[in-house]
Amino acid sequence: QQQVKQSPQSLIVQKGGISIINCAYENTAFDYFPWYQQFPGKGPALLIAIRPDVSEKKEGRFTISFNKSAKQFSLHIMDSQPGDSATYFCAAAYSSASKIIFGSGTRLSIRP
Amino acid sequence: DTAVSQTPKYLVTQMGNDKSIKCEQNLGHDTMYWYKQDSKKFLKIMFSYNNKELIINETVPNRFSPKSPDKAHLNLHINSLELGDSAVYFCASSLRALENEQYFGPGTRLTVT
Repeated sequence: QQQVKQSPQSLIVQKGGISIINCAYENTAFDYFPWYQQFPGKGPALLIAIRPDVSEKKEGRFTISFNKSAKQFSLHIMDSQPGDSATYFCAAAYSSASKIIFGSGTRLSIRP
Repeated sequence: DTAVSQTPKYLVTQMGNDKSIKCEQNLGHDTMYWYKQDSKKFLKIMFSYNNKELIINETVPNRFSPKSPDKAHLNLHINSLELGDSAVYFCASSLRALENEQYFGPGTRLTVT
């Protein structure tokens, strides 16, 4: 059972463009939604996270948009740079448990 | 001064062998985790320990046995390795059991031939 669905599987964006990755979740008990960035040969690293009491969170060029009623959230990368090329994972968790459930990942390539 | 470290980085072994992967964190965190990332990059939690006590045990074959000698270390021992065990194994840690922010190690790529 896939509790967090992520799309697209891969994405190519021109330098300077906006990269958008979407996720949907099923369990309304989730209350923490992080995004992780993973470079080849490295472990995932926390990029940005949001809790459902806000609809948007911005950190630099990275923004999470959260739609609680639709059970969807997305990552927007503004002014995408070649250094942003990586695999991005959305995830969901309960603050009452230690387990994070990851989406299937999106391989993002930024063309120079 | 690596935060979460794992050894070895690469492990190639034959079916039926027993192997261990070691993990150490110097962040002073109480909780540590093992994740498996398959060939399609899908990440799934296997185990979690909080202060040397097992708190998460997903549906993992009992050939996999985690051991936590102290809260800074969480090792993974795998018996009777199978081809399907080939994957990248990540160790992670968080400040507390209910602290969602997790820090991942660099991974151990296990190849079973």
